[in-house]
Amino acid sequence: DARVTQTPRHKVTEMGQEVTMRCQPILGHNTVFWYRQTMMQGLELLAYFRNRAPLDDSGMPKDRFSAEMPDATLATLKIQPSEPRDSAVYFCASGSTGGEENTEAFFGQGTRLTVV
Amino acid sequence: EDQVTQSPEALRLQEGESSSLNCSYTVSGLRGLFWYRQDPGKGPEFLFTLYSAGEEKEKERLKATLTKKESFLHITAPKPEDSATYLCAVQKAVRGTSYGKLTFGQGTILTVHP
Repeated sequence: DARVTQTPRHKVTEMGQEVTMRCQPILGHNTVFWYRQTMMQGLELLAYFRNRAPLDDSGMPKDRFSAEMPDATLATLKIQPSEPRDSAVYFCASGSTGGEENTEAFFGQGTRLTVV
Repeated sequence: EDQVTQSPEALRLQEGESSSLNCSYTVSGLRGLFWYRQDPGKGPEFLFTLYSAGEEKEKERLKATLTKKESFLHITAPKPEDSATYLCAVQKAVRGTSYGKLTFGQGTILTVHP
């Protein structure tokens, strides 16, 4: 059963601490998305990778957020230092694109982050 | 700027009471419109992709339709297990950094009472 796996599922941290969220995309998918979901803003795109290269991170606060794909099986989203306003559910999604073809994005279960 | 507006924000139905959810969009060059279902505490689950006006897709009690300005998700004879938040998202037909990016609406919270 192919699925996107995110860890941890829940994270509570103190303001100022570093937070790292991990995502294992579905095997064979070449695109990875990081989304943030809050009640007020809904789902917002933070970063988008294709073939491990970052293509769009315009939605991500550059001063404290960073996203990487060390290899095809791992994507990371890091917040340093974390702030209470970063509290949200962070979703990773993966899909497949090639030329004009693309599939839907499959979402993981999310990481619920609480910064106190 | 791409915009996706879903209505109503919340919808309460009795079991068996059919209805429709609306997704209005403004995007320069639509590549696809996606419908997702999201249950509490879980990630969005893919339902449908629609690519061109006039296209329709069905899955069990759900049918999605698309026009040039909006999409409808019709729910026929809903059951309590259909209760969830339904999200629509648009994807632009532009190469480069925005290709593949999904812009989501705020969602419609559907509650179906027995």
